Amino acid sequence: DTEVTQTPKHLVMGMTNKKSLKCEQHMGHRAMYWYKQKAKKPPELMFVYSYEKLSINESVPSRFSPECPNSSLLNLHLHALQPEDSALYLCASSPPGRDQETQYFGPGTRLLVL
Amino acid sequence: AQKVTQAQTEISVVEKEDVTLDCVYETRDTTYYLFWYKQPPSGELVFLIRRNSFDEQNEISGRYSWNFQKSTSSFNFTITASQVVDSAVYFCALSEARGTSYGKLTFGQGTILTVHP
Repeated sequence: DTEVTQTPKHLVMGMTNKKSLKCEQHMGHRAMYWYKQKAKKPPELMFVYSYEKLSINESVPSRFSPECPNSSLLNLHLHALQPEDSALYLCASSPPGRDQETQYFGPGTRLLVL
Repeated sequence: AQKVTQAQTEISVVEKEDVTLDCVYETRDTTYYLFWYKQPPSGELVFLIRRNSFDEQNEISGRYSWNFQKSTSSFNFTITASQVVDSAVYFCALSEARGTSYGKLTFGQGTILTVHP
């Protein structure tokens, strides 16, 4: 298995809903990342998990809550989002060792907050 | 602070033309990594190449080639004989070497490439 998968592909939610985004990889990668990407902009880093511990939080609002239950799975829990949170959410992972700087991305979840 | 500049916001070419995407970077690190990613309309960021700061060899992969020049802090990407399937947003990115810890990518603003039939 040589890919990062993300579910769901699309998500529409109201501002009072609670939802979760899921990311999985089975490549033995030990770092996983969440990015947010607005239209016509580059991805912006949100969180980094290294060996299942949160190592970077880029001052993301608390309505976004990451979780890394094991080395293959990364979740992003969403609660009380705002319309401006509508974006493409990308997950990525990096292998250990010499290639650790390379990030491999999933297909993303397109989120619309109404 | 690190910075990546892709001065070309949009490029439009006709199929079979060659096209070069420019990337200029700034960093104070002596060890760093440069990347190119392709983002087709589907949204997934596809990794194309990684180059470390000690390796200035140019690279060719099929119709793709990369020219890394430390003297001008540039890492340009050329597509030869472009095809409609090359239409996408292309991002250049920079990562500092962080030893055993995982770091962050600094992306350029991206170049939208449209290849017309």
